[in-house]
Amino acid sequence: KNQVEQSPQSLIILEGKNCTLQCNYTVSPFSNLRWYKQDTGRGPVSLTIMTFSENTKSNGRYTATLDADTKQSSLHITASQLSDSASYICVVSAWLTGGGNKLTFGTGTQLKVEL
Amino acid sequence: NAGVTQTPKFRVLKTGQSMTLLCAQDMNHEYMYWYRQDPGMGLRLIHYSVGEGTTAKGEVPDGYNVSRLKKQNFLLGLESAAPSQTSVYFCASSLTANTGELFFGEGSRLTVL
Repeated sequence: KNQVEQSPQSLIILEGKNCTLQCNYTVSPFSNLRWYKQDTGRGPVSLTIMTFSENTKSNGRYTATLDADTKQSSLHITASQLSDSASYICVVSAWLTGGGNKLTFGTGTQLKVEL
Repeated sequence: NAGVTQTPKFRVLKTGQSMTLLCAQDMNHEYMYWYRQDPGMGLRLIHYSVGEGTTAKGEVPDGYNVSRLKKQNFLLGLESAAPSQTSVYFCASSLTANTGELFFGEGSRLTVL
């Protein structure tokens, strides 16, 4: 069964500090891995999309890494800001027989940045 | 830049009532999706469409129907609402199916009493 597990479930950090969120998956055959940011009461917004051949991708202060061998990904946030407070969702895409793909969503890591 | 717009944003229904959620996108995307988000669970796909006039079932389609009469619109219907359908519903669209970035709406919070 395709699964995506994220850790920690929640995290509180001080403004200006760095943090790393983890994502482990058992999805196969692997197509791509995505990280989304979801502010409270809003829809998810894409941060990065990585394919099998990409092991790191950055979007401003967000850097995602992918180890396809161990089926792990991380999202590193540098110099956190209050606006980084949100849920961060890992999504893994699997190829389907006959074409197309299927997305499996993690339950998210709830990040709170405090002064 | 509207992107993906969902209406209504909030709705309260009684068990057995029907309603329709409307999703509109202005990005000329072929692919559109309806998801539901419940506490402690990842987003789950209800139905999706790969183009105007087409629809297909996702992983949790029971109790829902959809229509894609126009490319820019994707409607999600509940014929006889049940308390188990209390959830936040998200519409999304993408240009391509496999590696295409998903653009989500702001969500529609539905409560069934």
